[in-house]
Amino acid sequence: NAGVTQTPKFQVLKTGQSMTLQCAQDMNHNSMYWYRQDPGMGLRLIYYSASEGTTDKGEVPNGYNVSRLNKREFSLRLESAAPSQTSVYFCASSEGTLPRNQPQHFGDGTRLSIL
Amino acid sequence: QQPVQSPQAVILREGEDAVINCSSSKALYSVHWYRQKHGEAPVFLMILLKGGEQKGHDKISASFNEKKQQSSLYLTASQLSYSGTYFCGTEYGTGANNLFFGTGTRLTVIP
Repeated sequence: NAGVTQTPKFQVLKTGQSMTLQCAQDMNHNSMYWYRQDPGMGLRLIYYSASEGTTDKGEVPNGYNVSRLNKREFSLRLESAAPSQTSVYFCASSEGTLPRNQPQHFGDGTRLSIL
Repeated sequence: QQPVQSPQAVILREGEDAVINCSSSKALYSVHWYRQKHGEAPVFLMILLKGGEQKGHDKISASFNEKKQQSSLYLTASQLSYSGTYFCGTEYGTGANNLFFGTGTRLTVIP
């Protein structure tokens, strides 16, 4: 009954380091998403994948890359971390290949600090 | 395209009612509502499709006024467990990049 699982839960990086945030869902959902949440800003979409093998940019994609490894897994990579990327990152999934009108199921988040 | 939520914060005593509003400057296809407790993931509450429908879940219900491009979330007879931040998400078309979330309304229920 895991739902959406994110790893790691916490991470501290130095400016310029790289890292990959992992996300996996066990609900057989087609669509997966990466959001960042900053104080006073709400949730902002970074990238999404409507189906295995496809990815598209969201509202704030700069500085990030994604990989939809298979139907279950969707990873987010920071190639060269910057302090502005300090945030809480949420992965989410939804059932359909068209995200419209679909409830989204969120993971517990990754709290990332970049010094 | 981010919707505007009001109020930003509200404090209630157990048993009191509250209304949270979500307004858009553009025509909407649907509105999502989520609740997030501190340090946890957002949890889906409901989706309202255009057509002015009203939905309910236990003592939490919502309406969608397509003409006014706004939705309201109603919490009646509030319980301590209702505390959290409520987000609306507004959809303007197909594609995940047409879903935008508001900045949230922090609801605190006190005994």
